[in-house]
Amino acid sequence: GAGVSQSPSNKVTEKGKDVELRCDPISGHTALYWYRQRLGQGLEFLIYFQGNSAPDKSGLPSDRFSAERTGESVSTLTIQRTQQEDSAVYLCASKPGRYGYTFGSGTRLTVV
Amino acid sequence: DQQVKQNSPSLSVQEGRISILNCDYTNSMFDYFLWYKKYPAEGPTFLISISSIKDKNEDGRFTVFLNKSAKHLSLHIVPSQPGDSAVYFCAASANSGGSNYKLTFGKGTLLTVNP
Repeated sequence: GAGVSQSPSNKVTEKGKDVELRCDPISGHTALYWYRQRLGQGLEFLIYFQGNSAPDKSGLPSDRFSAERTGESVSTLTIQRTQQEDSAVYLCASKPGRYGYTFGSGTRLTVV
Repeated sequence: DQQVKQNSPSLSVQEGRISILNCDYTNSMFDYFLWYKKYPAEGPTFLISISSIKDKNEDGRFTVFLNKSAKHLSLHIVPSQPGDSAVYFCAASANSGGSNYKLTFGKGTLLTVNP
């Protein structure tokens, strides 16, 4: 597609359940990022993938969070044993080179 | 520790007037700055950027000013239009020359342009 696609757009889950969020980057974009935005906050960096290099996981808030990406394709962000503080909009972005992030519309996660 | 600060959560201006959105940063390693615009239920979209080697960058109605000594940047929109109403995020990077381009974002400023 023309843009970064994220699914689902909305997810409501019960506390303690696992969730999986998906990101389809723009074809040919080598770099892929996950950010999240909690209510009233700025965007927080979570994880970065660049081709087949080891991902930069320095932003993941706990070991309940993990992400995978195979090559330059789809990425999934998994949150295990969700907590209420995980409620946020999770944004994926991809870029072809040094500059120019393109963000998806995000997944709004609500943990009840 | 908030490294990028947007101290005004909201701003309201009249159509046709100038909108000035401010951003302060604390990390002296930041060398590349960007502004993103976000409409509800959409992802942020890139608006304009500036490298630390410049103090001004202009693109149509949008101008970004950088004051490195004050660690301050601002986005000027003139003339403001109702369609500019959105949340504006300031973002910064400490590695503009490298491939790991991690951005640090401010909390955003909600701009409302009144007709």
